[in-house]
Amino acid sequence: GAGVSQTPSNKVTEKGKYVELRCDPISGHTALYWYRQSLGQGPEFLIYFQGTGAADDSGLPNDRFFAVRPEGSVSTLKIQRTERGDSAVYLCASSWGQGWEQYFGPGTRLTVT
Amino acid sequence: KQEVTQIPAALSVPEGENLVLNCSFTDSAIYNLQWFRQDPGKGLTSLLLIQSSQREQTSGRLNASLDKSSGRSTLYIAASQPGDSATYLCAVQNSGYALNFGKGTSLLVT
Repeated sequence: GAGVSQTPSNKVTEKGKYVELRCDPISGHTALYWYRQSLGQGPEFLIYFQGTGAADDSGLPNDRFFAVRPEGSVSTLKIQRTERGDSAVYLCASSWGQGWEQYFGPGTRLTVT
Repeated sequence: KQEVTQIPAALSVPEGENLVLNCSFTDSAIYNLQWFRQDPGKGLTSLLLIQSSQREQTSGRLNASLDKSSGRSTLYIAASQPGDSATYLCAVQNSGYALNFGKGTSLLVT
């Protein structure tokens, strides 16, 4: 079956603009995660969804970041008033549930100019 | 806060050599540990998942071990090939969901 997909693969935006990043998890996976990876670093946890609800959003850096998963499948990460420091690769992962193996998408490379 | 360290940061070996990548973590109360491979500009590919109750997992030429009490895991790659060149990431799960990653080991097989 299809793996985790993310769109767009690349996004260039100007400082101050709003962006949305989309994640399509593996079909049937109830758990969905967002991570952020800066150059030369390992990914850092942002938010975890179990079904439609955000079970843990403690990794979101500030209130400019928000994520939704309204129907328990596709998720959108939303960033308001983007800053140059938001430039990174945003990775989405999904799993059958808590504690199961996580499968990652190819990521969205966000560049804020 | 869980800290994950991977040593070495980079490694270059000739084809055919057996090699070991090391991962250490500070909080031994883990749920599981997962090894990933990342190719340049790509996402992460899961290689092996070791549950906290397990000591090792094997997949083909890869073998991962876990010593929870000492906070260590090793990834053993047998008979390395140029196609194994990539960055290898170790990730520890404490809560049952959030993965804590190391910075990775960049492997080059020539």
